Amino acid sequence: NAGVTQTPKFQVLKTGQSMTLQCAQDMNHNSMYWYRQDPGMGLRLIYYSASEGTTDKGEVPNGYNVSRLNKREFSLRLESAAPSQTSVYFCASRRQSLNTEAFFGQGTRLTVV
Amino acid sequence: GESVGLHLPTLSVQEGDNSIINCAYSNSASDYFIWYKQESGKGPQFIIDIRSNMDKRQGQRVTVLLNKTVKHLSLQIAATQPGDSAVYFCAENNYNQGGKLIFGQGTELSVKP
Repeated sequence: NAGVTQTPKFQVLKTGQSMTLQCAQDMNHNSMYWYRQDPGMGLRLIYYSASEGTTDKGEVPNGYNVSRLNKREFSLRLESAAPSQTSVYFCASRRQSLNTEAFFGQGTRLTVV
Repeated sequence: GESVGLHLPTLSVQEGDNSIINCAYSNSASDYFIWYKQESGKGPQFIIDIRSNMDKRQGQRVTVLLNKTVKHLSLQIAATQPGDSAVYFCAENNYNQGGKLIFGQGTELSVKP
């Protein structure tokens, strides 16, 4: 199994451009998450989806939108990228929303210039 | 608000020594905790977890201790090896918040040969 797959791995955007980060998992997990990680810092939750058809804001949702396309896929969209959104973005999934570990993708390194 | 934080941002130990990484959490309703290891350029990897009805759990060379009275979590690594060098994060989950998994800042562990 591939686990959690994120695309692209690297991206450079100009300020004001839009883009969508893709995430797919093949573990039949119910819950999926998007985090951002800034240098020397921990992971901050942007949005999560406890189950197909539901999404909820995390700690830092401003400037982002998400779509839980189906059980496998959870995308993160930046409508108008800003330099403050330069970060490494991680997608994760969990078998269920309660009391199980989350599995992470390898990350997308995004630079906004 | 709720938060998960770490006492020590960096920890340097000699190869073969035991390491202890600490984590404080503020949400007394959290019922599940996870320790992750993150190597440079990679996504976080699960190490060990513990539920709030336990105070200790052991894995291979790792032990997690939970003290709910003072809202403190620790990760003990026995006979630390160079391959243990990484950033370690604790994360908490609250059943009543439907699977929102919140991470702490992280501790960088450096193992000297």
